[in-house]
Amino acid sequence: DAGITQSPRYKITETGRQVTLMCHQTWSHSYMFWYRQDLGHGLRLIYYSAAADITDKGEVPDGYVVSRSKTENFPLTLESATRSQTSVYFCASSESRLNQPQHFGDGTRLSIL
Amino acid sequence: GENVEQHPSTLSVQEGDSAVIKCTYSDSASNYFPWYKQELGKRPQLIIDIRSNVGEKKDQRIAVTLNKTAKHFSLHITETQPEDSAVYFCAAIDGGFKTIFGAGTRLFVKA
Repeated sequence: DAGITQSPRYKITETGRQVTLMCHQTWSHSYMFWYRQDLGHGLRLIYYSAAADITDKGEVPDGYVVSRSKTENFPLTLESATRSQTSVYFCASSESRLNQPQHFGDGTRLSIL
Repeated sequence: GENVEQHPSTLSVQEGDSAVIKCTYSDSASNYFPWYKQELGKRPQLIIDIRSNVGEKKDQRIAVTLNKTAKHFSLHITETQPEDSAVYFCAAIDGGFKTIFGAGTRLFVKA
């Protein structure tokens, strides 16, 4: 699904640094999501957004900040990165109607040294 | 809130055999159940879904069944092929937009 893109695909940074992961979708989907995927934990929801300027916490929000000033963009910021935030991060979106599948980006592999 | 349990966590089958992955959910309000396949290093992708007004749905070698009374749903893959090797996630949505995922099943298809 080329309609949702994440950048960068790979990122290495150091503890304490701020890092922002970008997510852009071209479908005008209302709902957008950020997940982290760690071995043995499946997909864990960090934050989600129902529309521009509407965001809410998911299962594991601590240490992360999101914003959604435009419908198509949903950046995720680690304000002060920690080693425990080393993970693969997936952005996803779904249509405005309820009970719809999510469409995932290719993911960002983030390593924090 | 909703909780989705998925079994088994790992499944190994011989090429050509069938594979079955089972999930249970806790919230009786859930009415949409998608299944995702994630190949190594790739994104999760929707492979089939079922809504609560249907008991079974098929798409070629893949089928999903739903038992609302027991709150069970299952993925069936027939005539497995090596390219079916991946991690499969079941999920449930309770009429809203948040998806609750199972923990995943790693399927190995041995040639």
